[in-house]
Order: sequence, then structure tokens, then C-alpha cells
Amino acid sequence: SQQGEEDPQALSIQEGENATMNCSYKTSINNLQWYRQNSGRGLVHLILIRSNEREKHSGRLRVTLDTSKKSSSLLITASRAADTASYFCATATDSWGKLQFGAGTQVVVTP
Amino acid sequence: GAVVSQHPSWVICKSGTSVKIECRSLDFQATTMFWYRQFPKQSLMLMATSNEGSKATYEQGVEKDKFLINHASLTLSTLTVTSAHPEDSSFYICSAADPSGRMETQYFGPGTRLLVL
Repeated sequence: SQQGEEDPQALSIQEGENATMNCSYKTSINNLQWYRQNSGRGLVHLILIRSNEREKHSGRLRVTLDTSKKSSSLLITASRAADTASYFCATATDSWGKLQFGAGTQVVVTP
Repeated sequence: GAVVSQHPSWVICKSGTSVKIECRSLDFQATTMFWYRQFPKQSLMLMATSNEGSKATYEQGVEKDKFLINHASLTLSTLTVTSAHPEDSSFYICSAADPSGRMETQYFGPGTRLLVL
């Protein structure tokens, strides 16, 4: 079963704008990860945030984690057409890798 | 980063036949691999955890006799969909964690699209 929910389900923005998507989960976690999936392809790992961390940055990506609310957000700044993809959050309840994925947010960035 | 491959990338088969999908870690040894399935426009659902040298652990609701998993070496796990039916048509993705690095980060294969006619 899926651990979490993501919103929005779909997001359409123009190049240069920021994209924010949220992920909520139900149980305690060891870490939360964000992945990108281009249509019909495998997943690319974007960023991992541990349960004792509140915010992480990687390039144009910013992830926050609020364990009290069991939620996380992914911000993509200055979006590009190449950012068009589906974005998934995934939670791990231990450190050895088993992941439960959220429903995903489909992001479309138009030039 | 670590690379995981899958073969074949897509397969079409007749109902009732069995299909084998391979997942390989190309530049690292993976004691644990994971198998997921994804229906169109949906999320990934974990099917099973594949452990090298031991039996796979299946998620609730996944038929182990239907989806046979063999993790015979540290670089190869196979998923066999036995007696496939049209409802088994899906996108199957494997992943592996590199034990020499941080186990939390998984590397995903490119996926195998299965169409059962």
C-alpha cells in the first residue's frame, strides 16, 4: 500500500517559475526521498532528507521535512522545460532501503 | 553514480506464457534488490524484496507463486511472471542499494514494460 499522498496531482507552470509540491505520510520514518521520473522511464534519485533534518538543498532543489506534521515539500526554483516529469516522494521506515512511494505529482513546464 | 540495468526493456507475450525480467547492478554488488510495478499514471508499488542467497520477501497481496524472484548472485536478480495474463501488463522496475555507500539511496533500473495479449 502507498505510504503517502502528494499534492497537487498535477502542476503546470512556465519556465522560470518555481514549482512546489507536497508529500504527506502516515507512519514514523527514518528518511524521506524525492525521485523524478520522465515518461516511461526509470526513476532518478533527487534528494534524501533524514528524520532529524528539517531542510536540504541541492542545486535548484529545496526539500523541507516536518516530522510533527508528517509532511515534506519539494521546491524547484527557476524551472526549466527539462524539469517536466513526474515527481515522487518515498519514505523509508528503516535505513536499509525499503521504500513506500507517494502518488506522485506530474509537473509540466512550458517554455 | 551506481548503475542498474534491466533486460528486456519491453516485452510482448501471449497469455499463459512466462516472462523473465533481469535486473543487474553493473558497477557494484547488491545484496538486496527491490521489485516494483507501476500501472499507467500511477505510483510505484513495492512487490518484493530480493535477498541474495535467500528467499524473497513479498509484500502483502503479491502472489509469490505468480511472481518468482531469484537473486542468485550479488549482481543479478530475476523476476519471472508465470502464466502471464493481460492484467499482469505493467511497467516493472527494479532497484538496488549500494552497500558500500549509503544504503538509503536506491538506484533504479530503466524499467521493463510488459504487455500480455
